[in-house]
Amino acid sequence: SAVISQKPSRDICQRGTSLTIQCQVDSQVTMMFWYRQQPGQSLTLIATANQGSEATYESGFVIDKFPISRPNLTFSTLTVSNMSPEDSSIYLCSARTGLNTEAFFGQGTRLTVV
Amino acid sequence: AQSVAQPEDQVNVAEGNPLTVKCTYSVSGNPYLFWYVQYPNRGLQFLLKYITGDNLVKGSYGFEAEFNKSQTSFHLKKPSALVSDSALYFCAVRSAMDSNYQLIWGAGTKLIIKP
Repeated sequence: SAVISQKPSRDICQRGTSLTIQCQVDSQVTMMFWYRQQPGQSLTLIATANQGSEATYESGFVIDKFPISRPNLTFSTLTVSNMSPEDSSIYLCSARTGLNTEAFFGQGTRLTVV
Repeated sequence: AQSVAQPEDQVNVAEGNPLTVKCTYSVSGNPYLFWYVQYPNRGLQFLLKYITGDNLVKGSYGFEAEFNKSQTSFHLKKPSALVSDSALYFCAVRSAMDSNYQLIWGAGTKLIIKP
């Protein structure tokens, strides 16, 4: 199994500012993912963070709004740019080591934009 | 298109009674199936998975799930519920034919165990 440290755990931000969320895995992983989740709701995939190349974004999410870095096999960041209240949500980092392996999750970042 | 359905938004069970959280899926080819639990203000925790082999899969915290290919279901079960099992449960699936790593997630089922 892998242990994922995600920070910050929560933040309250002013609209128009940006927040960078960090995700550190205790072992090398093949794939890392970023999700958004409204409390009590299902997960929505934002993007797949690819090591050494640009992230692959899902429909409705763009790089200018959610730039992602993946400099190595254990670390990734997600930036929420030019925030608005609609960006208030829980952001989750996830990692998998193989096609038929389970995913592991960070504790999540609860973001509130005021 | 691949999909996962969790038909119950909420399941209420008395402590000590058996519990079932339902999941049905639709994928091309053989499925890889997963169950996760999320406690309040926490990330998701892996419970169990079905990849191949025995249809009955045992996982963490006394949970088990049965893969039923004919009914395309993967229901989560526990013989005797605990109040501490109260949480949000997610079923997820991907097709063995897919080359990407993405999981398709169900909407989640809130499990409430009453003392």
